[in-house]
Amino acid sequence: GNSVTQMEGPVTLSEEAFLTINCTYTATGYPSLFWYVQYPGEGLQLLLKATKADDKGSNKGFEATYRKETTSFHLEKGSVQVSDSAVYFCALKRMDSSYKLIFGSGTRLLVRP
Amino acid sequence: DTAVSQTPKYLVTQMGNDKSIKCEQNLGHDTMYWYKQDSKKFLKIMFSYNNKELIINETVPNRFSPKSPDKAHLNLHINSLELGDSAVYFCASSSRVGRGYEQYFGPGTRLTVT
Repeated sequence: GNSVTQMEGPVTLSEEAFLTINCTYTATGYPSLFWYVQYPGEGLQLLLKATKADDKGSNKGFEATYRKETTSFHLEKGSVQVSDSAVYFCALKRMDSSYKLIFGSGTRLLVRP
Repeated sequence: DTAVSQTPKYLVTQMGNDKSIKCEQNLGHDTMYWYKQDSKKFLKIMFSYNNKELIINETVPNRFSPKSPDKAHLNLHINSLELGDSAVYFCASSSRVGRGYEQYFGPGTRLTVT
């Protein structure tokens, strides 16, 4: 079946540290991949996406590369800020008529000053 | 302008009551969704409508009934509320075109059943 596995949190970092949040997926065919972010008390916002192998999505200093050989879409940022504290969700979109998004369990990031 | 809006933002009610949550989008999208997020932040799709037609109906108790009067609105009615229904419910919308389509989420409705 289709699934997304994320590293468990919370991930606690100091400001300006390097961030990696791991995400791997299982899917048939070639899904599209997404990272969503949920700030405290808010809904989910799309952070970045990639629609085919080797694509790199990037936004607000965050990056993730669609790696088909390792079925991964790890999220990275070179220097985190306190304002990046949030829950990050990796997701895949099935390439069939269901148009479902399948989410990982979310990873909470805490950035300390 | 709010793209996807939900009302109410907070809903506190007693077991056994019936309640509704409303969702509206002004993005011109043709597909809308309801998600449930539990206390551990796990997010799961419940329903999806495309052009007022139900296209996704996950394993959800039949106490939950979505209604889509038009493409811009998707409401969720819940009968006989139970403690386990306490969660945050998110509405989302998207355009059902292309590989890289994205879903836009509303701010959520926090439902507390006492």
